[in-house]
Amino acid sequence: EVQLVESGGGLGQPGRSLRLSCTASGFNFGDYAMTWVRQSPERGLEWVGLIRSKTYGGTPEYAASVKGRFTISRDDSNSIAYLQMNSLKTDDTAVYYCTRGGGAFDVWGQGTKVTVSS
Amino acid sequence: VVMTQSPLSLPATLGQPASISCRSSQSLVHSDGNTYLNWFQQRPGQSPRRLIYKVSKRDSGVPDRFSGSGSGTDFTLKISRVEADDVATYYCMQGTHWPVTFGQGTKVEIK
Repeated sequence: EVQLVESGGGLGQPGRSLRLSCTASGFNFGDYAMTWVRQSPERGLEWVGLIRSKTYGGTPEYAASVKGRFTISRDDSNSIAYLQMNSLKTDDTAVYYCTRGGGAFDVWGQGTKVTVSS
Repeated sequence: VVMTQSPLSLPATLGQPASISCRSSQSLVHSDGNTYLNWFQQRPGQSPRRLIYKVSKRDSGVPDRFSGSGSGTDFTLKISRVEADDVATYYCMQGTHWPVTFGQGTKVEIK
């Protein structure tokens, strides 16, 4: 079964860091770009960034709102994508989803909730 | 690219058709000739689920009462006969222009 499972969410203080993980199973992870999307009542569904497959350079791209603070990486040997979130802001409070592909988004994880508050 | 859905709330009648509109601020025709417009369903408490990709292609397992149509900047998701299971928020999303953007969502409820 094709599956994505996010983990690592929780309560983070403003200015601090959190790292989210997205563990994939049931497909050849290395063949796919992986995207992070977040959802909040204030901003709806918002693209956060992606990481390309190694075939396409394995490079990341970021939304302007997180560029310079968030880093996306991947570990193809363990089928995991990561979202390192630094310098957290209250506006980063959201449910974070990983999804397969750079725009196909045919498979989604269950999401992990991040709350940024002092 | 701004994606604008209407209506934002749709009280639907069981067994009757329902329709959601999605308009983009720019044409979604890609230079490769494809139009990257997806529709997602998000039931309460669940993750988004893709229903339709490239305007009108239905995903595996999606009931044929769901259909997508449109071109350029104007797109529609139709449910031919609404069922109780269709209570959800529906989102359109464009993947033609960088970055990917989503509509605000249309909440479908049963009257």
